[in-house]
Amino acid sequence: GQQLNQSPQSMFIQEGEDVSMNCTSSSIFNTWLWYKQDPGEGPVLLIALYKAGELTSNGRLTAQFGITRKDSFLNISASIPSDVGIYFCAGQASMNYGGSQGNLIFGKGTKLSVKP
Amino acid sequence: EAGVAQSPRYKIIEKRQSVAFWCNPISGHATLYWYQQILGQGPKLLIQFQNNGVVDDSQLPKDRFSAERLKGVDSTLKIQPAKLEDSAVYLCASSQGQGAFTEKLFFGSGTQLSVL
Repeated sequence: GQQLNQSPQSMFIQEGEDVSMNCTSSSIFNTWLWYKQDPGEGPVLLIALYKAGELTSNGRLTAQFGITRKDSFLNISASIPSDVGIYFCAGQASMNYGGSQGNLIFGKGTKLSVKP
Repeated sequence: EAGVAQSPRYKIIEKRQSVAFWCNPISGHATLYWYQQILGQGPKLLIQFQNNGVVDDSQLPKDRFSAERLKGVDSTLKIQPAKLEDSAVYLCASSQGQGAFTEKLFFGSGTQLSVL
């Protein structure tokens, strides 16, 4: 089945540093979403991408939909302690792939730890 | 605006026992999803409802799991009998429209299930 490879698995950085993480797939996606999950809570949507090459920002967060439609990137600038959490990418398969329209495929997450 | 409500927050049962989870989606949201999140993994879709009809239950272990969404609002997910490998967080999510690829999902805080 479809799988997303998310990297790195974990990051431990200093406050103020920039962060980069990415997600790759063996198949084409027509939607890429980035979520953040705090302990004991459900994922919260950060950024949604719907077109190849699209670059979207949300405050200090910037995400890009790869041109090949098989990858996506998330950058966090000037990290702060509240950025701590697990970041998930999620992809929605191409309509022609045959998957359910509602079936988002999630990566395994990138755990971000920030040292003050 | 109230978010997705789930209960209970935590549940501990012994294997072979039964358990049920409840979800109340955001008011007016037509589509409801149940996800299973095993520790260290991303959420995995179990079942998707549009109003009170099932859209996708291809990954639901139907020999032990069942779900219903009567009247197209609240939903319950049941496991009977539970196995050790069912230990996970069960997340409910809802989206406004028809579950199309442009939909944004809003997650509840989840129910953490421990099967002993």
